[in-house]
Amino acid sequence: EPEVTQTPSHQVTQMGQEVILRCVPISNHLYFYWYRQILGQKVEFLVSFYNNEISEKSEIFDDQFSVERPDGSNFTLKIRSTKLEDSAMYFCASSGGLGDSDTQYFGPGTRLTVL
Amino acid sequence: GDSVTQMEGPVTLSEEAFLTINCTYTATGYPSLFWYVQYPGEGLQLLLKATKADDKGSNKGFEATYRKETTSFHLEKGSVQVSDSAVYFCALRGRKAAGNKLTFGGGTRVLVKP
Repeated sequence: EPEVTQTPSHQVTQMGQEVILRCVPISNHLYFYWYRQILGQKVEFLVSFYNNEISEKSEIFDDQFSVERPDGSNFTLKIRSTKLEDSAMYFCASSGGLGDSDTQYFGPGTRLTVL
Repeated sequence: GDSVTQMEGPVTLSEEAFLTINCTYTATGYPSLFWYVQYPGEGLQLLLKATKADDKGSNKGFEATYRKETTSFHLEKGSVQVSDSAVYFCALRGRKAAGNKLTFGGGTRVLVKP
């Protein structure tokens, strides 16, 4: 069964450093998303991406964040200068497959720890 | 804006007990509704969904019915197992356009004891 994959599973970085989180969405999907979950809190939407551009973003997704689909398979989230409060689990999701456009399928997540 | 409210946990049950997790929502129009489950150390897995009023989603013995009149989507299972211990998230997707974001509730941790 196709699945969303994410790398790395855990990233530790120093405050102020740039990080890139990587995702490979399901291959025939058209919509891509990033969410985050701070420990013990709810899952929050960050950004959605369609047709090589951002279709929606939340207030959390400020100028420190960017997304890119550098080739036909990867979808990345970059945080330019990490802050302590960026520590969270980051989930990638995709949707828009034939016959099931409504459902978002999530990857296993990348745990980001900012020291 | 859209919002989802679900009962706070943790919910602790014995094996074979009946489980209900309440979920209510606020949204414009007719959203699609979802339950996702997060097992310890893992990501989010879709458990079930319903896309219109009175639809019932079901999977692995879990059920939830889309109730427009009460704006609810409560999750139920008749006989839980230890393996059902997880965090359960109710979520909605607005209907305004394809590719809409999911809005999640706060999650309910369920612990099933043998």
